[in-house]
Amino acid sequence: QVQLVQSGAEVRKPGSSVKVSCKASGDTFSTYALSWGRQAPGQGLEWMGGIIPIFGTANYAQKFQGRVTITADELTSTAYMELSSLRSDDTAVYYCARVGAGDSYYLDYWGQGTLVTVSS
Amino acid sequence: SYVLTQPPSVSVAPGQTARITCEGNNIGTKSVHWYQQNPGQAPVLVVYDDSDRPSGIPERFSGSNSENTATLTISRVEAGDEADYYCQVWDSSNDHVVFGGGTQLTVL
Repeated sequence: QVQLVQSGAEVRKPGSSVKVSCKASGDTFSTYALSWGRQAPGQGLEWMGGIIPIFGTANYAQKFQGRVTITADELTSTAYMELSSLRSDDTAVYYCARVGAGDSYYLDYWGQGTLVTVSS
Repeated sequence: SYVLTQPPSVSVAPGQTARITCEGNNIGTKSVHWYQQNPGQAPVLVVYDDSDRPSGIPERFSGSNSENTATLTISRVEAGDEADYYCQVWDSSNDHVVFGGGTQLTVL
């Protein structure tokens, strides 16, 4: 049974950074891609970027280029998403999700979400 | 960038069939995936690759995709199906995930 467990809620001030973790269990971590996305209060889902741990290379949505860094630690089966220069409109629930097998890029397992609140 | 358009809301009576559309330019050439999200919870994959169901998803959930419209069909709708539904594709032109804006399904 694949499980993705994310780190707990965070409160940050504008201009600071936040790093959210996503620990995977139950399957081979390195060979599946992982995606990160977010959902602002009352809004839809928004993709931020993804990574394939075995390659270590990440790609990012244009909107977040330069502000987001996604990494993965194969030894601990943990992925990380760091968002910098936080603004109030970055307040959202942040999700990690595993990309399923094949090349059509569907998200078959999701973490429970991490609420990040940006407030002065 | 690629855009997916969903109706903001769909309403259906219990026992009837709900159809939620997802429009995109030549979306029929892409693989479409659908997610169900209940309030305060993470999304759950209900249909992938246009019409396949993950294990544990009822057969009442089905999908189709042709030309410029993909459709999630929920047969014999139950009160527990009331949720937000999102479509999603992979935009290979820039290696990006694209989500539709979401549709709130209301069971009357």
